[in-house]
Amino acid sequence: EAGVAQSPRYKIIEKRQSVAFWCNPISGHATLYWYQQILGQGPKLLIQFQNNGVVDDSQLPKDRFSAERLKGVDSTLKIQPAKLEDSAVYLCASSLTSGGAWAGEQYFGPGTRLTVT
Amino acid sequence: GESVGLHLPTLSVQEGDNSIINCAYSNSASDYFIWYKQESGKGPQFIIDIRSNMDKRQGQRVTVLLNKTVKHLSLQIAATQPGDSAVYFCAETHTGNQFYFGTGTSLTVIP
Repeated sequence: EAGVAQSPRYKIIEKRQSVAFWCNPISGHATLYWYQQILGQGPKLLIQFQNNGVVDDSQLPKDRFSAERLKGVDSTLKIQPAKLEDSAVYLCASSLTSGGAWAGEQYFGPGTRLTVT
Repeated sequence: GESVGLHLPTLSVQEGDNSIINCAYSNSASDYFIWYKQESGKGPQFIIDIRSNMDKRQGQRVTVLLNKTVKHLSLQIAATQPGDSAVYFCAETHTGNQFYFGTGTSLTVIP
């Protein structure tokens, strides 16, 4: 079974520039998550999709971050404009189901390491 | 927001010994907990999970203990191996959607 794919693996940009990350979840997984992981911290959920609908985006800085999952499969996360504090690893995860006490195991991709200079 | 914390940021153990990694959570409504292992340059990997109606669950070489009275979670790794060296995170949720991760404990296994 292929895992969660993410690209690019690394990205270096200057502040105020824009950047986009791509995620391809495991085939058949309805739920897709984007996390931000700052160095030395645990992942923080940015947004969660169930198929192509948003379930939770309460921690997404909507003034600069946006995400979409138009066909309920692949997803892109965009930052525009980037700030220095956006330097982090952006992780994508997917799960078969979501919600309830058994939320379903989340499978994580390798992440995209973003450096904003 | 939620508060999920780990007692120790680093842990060193001898190969073959047992490891215990602890986690405290603050939301008494949390009903589902997961332990993840994250190796350098990789995404977190699911280890084991537990529901709030259980106090113990065992997997292969790993055991998770849940004490709801004191809101404490622990991960026990038996016969720790060099391949177990990684950062371990606990995560909790009370909605099944928003997962809150702790800061992480770095486990180093000494050969």
